[in-house]
Amino acid sequence: QVQLVESGGGVVQPLGSLRLACVASGFTFRTYAMHWVRQAPGKGLEWVAVISFDGSEEYYADSVKGRFTISRDNSGNTLYLQMNSLTTDDTAVYYCAKDEDSLAVDGYFDYWGQGTLVTVSS
Amino acid sequence: QSALTQPASVSGSPGQSITISCTGTSDDVGSYRFVSWHQQHPGKAPKLIMFEANQRPSGVSSRFSGSKSGNTASLTISGLQAEDEADYYCCAYAGGSTWMFGAGTKLTVL
Repeated sequence: QVQLVESGGGVVQPLGSLRLACVASGFTFRTYAMHWVRQAPGKGLEWVAVISFDGSEEYYADSVKGRFTISRDNSGNTLYLQMNSLTTDDTAVYYCAKDEDSLAVDGYFDYWGQGTLVTVSS
Repeated sequence: QSALTQPASVSGSPGQSITISCTGTSDDVGSYRFVSWHQQHPGKAPKLIMFEANQRPSGVSSRFSGSKSGNTASLTISGLQAEDEADYYCCAYAGGSTWMFGAGTKLTVL
């Protein structure tokens, strides 16, 4: 069965950095696009970024563009999110989600991880 | 881009049917077939319950159905059960390799 396990969350000061990881199993990771989606405390879901199956294409929400970088290691079945210049508005549970297709173009999220909490606070 | 518009809350009694709407624009919901619905119980991860507006993933109850007309998608839950109480989010592909969610609808089973 598909499993997505996020890690790397924690408390970080404003303007600090953090790298999240998501280890995938139960499917052929290297053939699917992957996403990060976040949810601020008590708020709704917000799409953050997507990466194509081979890492050749990346796209970001305007709210994180220039500060966050999505990447993947297909040999290790792992998705990453490097987050820099963090602000209090970035406080959220971060979920990785599997795309139903290989390309970072259209589609939908068919499986979600359990999420990892990132708290930006001084 | 603004979030898709969903009602903040809906409620119904066990056995009844409810419908949750999701209104976007001609740039997102109205342009692409990739509208999905995700169910989220408190403290849990979201779960896909509908894709391409009206397709149910394997294992999702047939009590869940979806539709789309123009810029509005809808999720209907028939024969409400206590376990259906959760938050429901619509999601649409918005072009340019970006996606957007609705603000979520809290379903209360009375």
